[in-house]
Amino acid sequence: GAVVSQHPSRVICKSGTSVKIECRSLDFQATTMFWYRQFPKQSLMLMATSNEGSKATYEQGVEKDKFLINHASLTLSTLTVTSAHPEDSSFYICSARPGTENIQYFGAGTRLSVL
Amino acid sequence: AQSVSQHNHHVILSEAASLELGCNYSYGGTVNLFWYVQYPGQHLQLLLKYFSGDPLVKGIKGFEAEFIKSKFSFNLRKPSVQWSDTAEYFCAVTPDTGRRALTFGSGTRLQVQP
Repeated sequence: GAVVSQHPSRVICKSGTSVKIECRSLDFQATTMFWYRQFPKQSLMLMATSNEGSKATYEQGVEKDKFLINHASLTLSTLTVTSAHPEDSSFYICSARPGTENIQYFGAGTRLSVL
Repeated sequence: AQSVSQHNHHVILSEAASLELGCNYSYGGTVNLFWYVQYPGQHLQLLLKYFSGDPLVKGIKGFEAEFIKSKFSFNLRKPSVQWSDTAEYFCAVTPDTGRRALTFGSGTRLQVQP
């Protein structure tokens, strides 16, 4: 149980385009979902926290207008990287936490390459 | 705000050797502690967690960790590693209250040689 699906696993796009990444909890309801960014050979850095039906909470230094987060249902959160640039190239990982326990379950990540 | 420090960045062991990975955290209140593992090309998986009670917790695949409150530590151990344990290991902490966002350590790359 506790499976989180993240799609796509890899995306290559041109500079200036927008990319949407989906994160789904398949067998549980996620009251809270998190988005992380992982640079090569580094740890995960929290970007934002989203609760179903409310605005996301962004970490300091993360541009909310660039990284749009929507958590419209208890099983789906999306991250849209708007007007992507090469410096946005990274590995983006989502996690979901059930309302019943303080454990985060992680998606497989999305590798974004902006040309 | 909390922080997590992992002292070993890269560890190389032979099969059957014992493993101990250090993790220290900084936070003034009650915390929940986690060890996650990331196998090559795979997603993060929970190895074990500590919320309360017995400070020695056992996880999957023969791993265990001990919470020592006085030292703010949560070291990961395994008596005998296998080649399949080659992976990246992350220690993480959340406060026991609030939105409980995870703060990760920098990770330890474990390489087990056959």
